[in-house]
Amino acid sequence: GAGVSQTPSNKVTEKGKYVELRCDPISGHTALYWYRQSLGQGPEFLIYFQGTGAADDSGLPNDRFFAVRPEGSVSTLKIQRTERGDSAVYLCASSLLSTGELFFGEGSRLTVL
Amino acid sequence: GENVEQHPSTLSVQEGDSAVIKCTYSDSASNYFPWYKQELGKGPQLIIDIRSNVGEKKDQRIAVTLNKTAKHFSLHITETQPEDSAVYFCQYNFNKFYFGSGTKLNVKP
Repeated sequence: GAGVSQTPSNKVTEKGKYVELRCDPISGHTALYWYRQSLGQGPEFLIYFQGTGAADDSGLPNDRFFAVRPEGSVSTLKIQRTERGDSAVYLCASSLLSTGELFFGEGSRLTVL
Repeated sequence: GENVEQHPSTLSVQEGDSAVIKCTYSDSASNYFPWYKQELGKGPQLIIDIRSNVGEKKDQRIAVTLNKTAKHFSLHITETQPEDSAVYFCQYNFNKFYFGSGTKLNVKP
């Protein structure tokens, strides 16, 4: 389809492991966002890309979290040394304009045991 | 989000009644005020938005009103239907892209 695609849809891992979450945005969308959503909460901003560069990474909680978008399209969110508190749904969104409608994927549910 | 407060957190209405959800923000920099609907297991989806040069926008049963002086914007749903049951979020853009804490709307048939 033409929407935002996120993989995996579900990921269960053990504390201390490394995890990668992938986002494939809508073709032509230059802006890409990562959010984290815990149960019963609103999406929490993590990082925003404009093209290949991270325009704002101030939402990343600590240095265990890192995201890349090397060719200005697909993005990968990387979490090192996962902790139980990292368990959440990680949402990716893309946008044609930095101040326009966000198109969200269905999210990657991460569970850290 | 720390710069936007959303109320109520839950709202239960009878089918056919109206529902109103309000967001209050603290900074004045944003000129774009969208509302998103999130169904279970899915990502949020834009349902309506408004720019700061207008005070109200309608799309069938949904409307958004903006009061820049009082720094709040509201979502209005009229003639509610069971399929309107979902979680609704306002979004506010000021440097970062904040979402409200969400309102769980339950429309009882």
